[in-house]
Amino acid sequence: DVKVTQSSRYLVKRTGEKVFLECVQDMDHENMFWYRQDPGLGLRLIYFSYDVKMKEKGDIPEGYSVSREKKERFSLILESASTNQTSMYLCASSLSVVGGLDTEAFFGQGTRLTVV
Amino acid sequence: AQSVAQPEDQVNVAEGNPLTVKCTYSVSGNPYLFWYVQYPNRGLQFLLKYITGDNLVKGSYGFEAEFNKSQTSFHLKKPSALVSDSALYFCAVLSYGNNRLAFGKGNQVVVIP
Repeated sequence: DVKVTQSSRYLVKRTGEKVFLECVQDMDHENMFWYRQDPGLGLRLIYFSYDVKMKEKGDIPEGYSVSREKKERFSLILESASTNQTSMYLCASSLSVVGGLDTEAFFGQGTRLTVV
Repeated sequence: AQSVAQPEDQVNVAEGNPLTVKCTYSVSGNPYLFWYVQYPNRGLQFLLKYITGDNLVKGSYGFEAEFNKSQTSFHLKKPSALVSDSALYFCAVLSYGNNRLAFGKGNQVVVIP
């Protein structure tokens, strides 16, 4: 089974702190994603990466950055945490869509981040 | 850019009755369509997908979905709902050649005993 592991289930940080959320997958997937989930807003894409060192902005990239130095690891960085970044953060990975049928994404358990 | 609409915030259904959760999509090119379920305080679990072939696809836990190209819809169905089906359901889409996976807002399903 595919395993996507997020480093923390719950995190509390102070306003202005630099925050790192880590995600590791063990299935050699090309694609990795970071979403935030808020009630009534569904899953909104922050950033995704389709290869090592490659990244694309999603729908709400402001205030976030990402790093993908190794294929299995995708980090989300909050440069200066703010209270409006309090949310559930979900990481996912998938195979590349080009030429393949096994394109479903697999999700981690989520990190509930509270910024105070 | 691709997008997904799930028009109902909540779907209430009596146990044993048929369950339908609606999804419409917008994408350039051929769509890859997915349904996921989320139980409280958990990540999303994959239920089923449509890539190509038969318009009716079957997935986990007795769920199925029908792809309708003319109506750009991919509604999730289950013939007889269980209380344990109460959860949040998400529809998602991506297009061939584009790895960007877009989700709808989700539907809360409540199955009443």
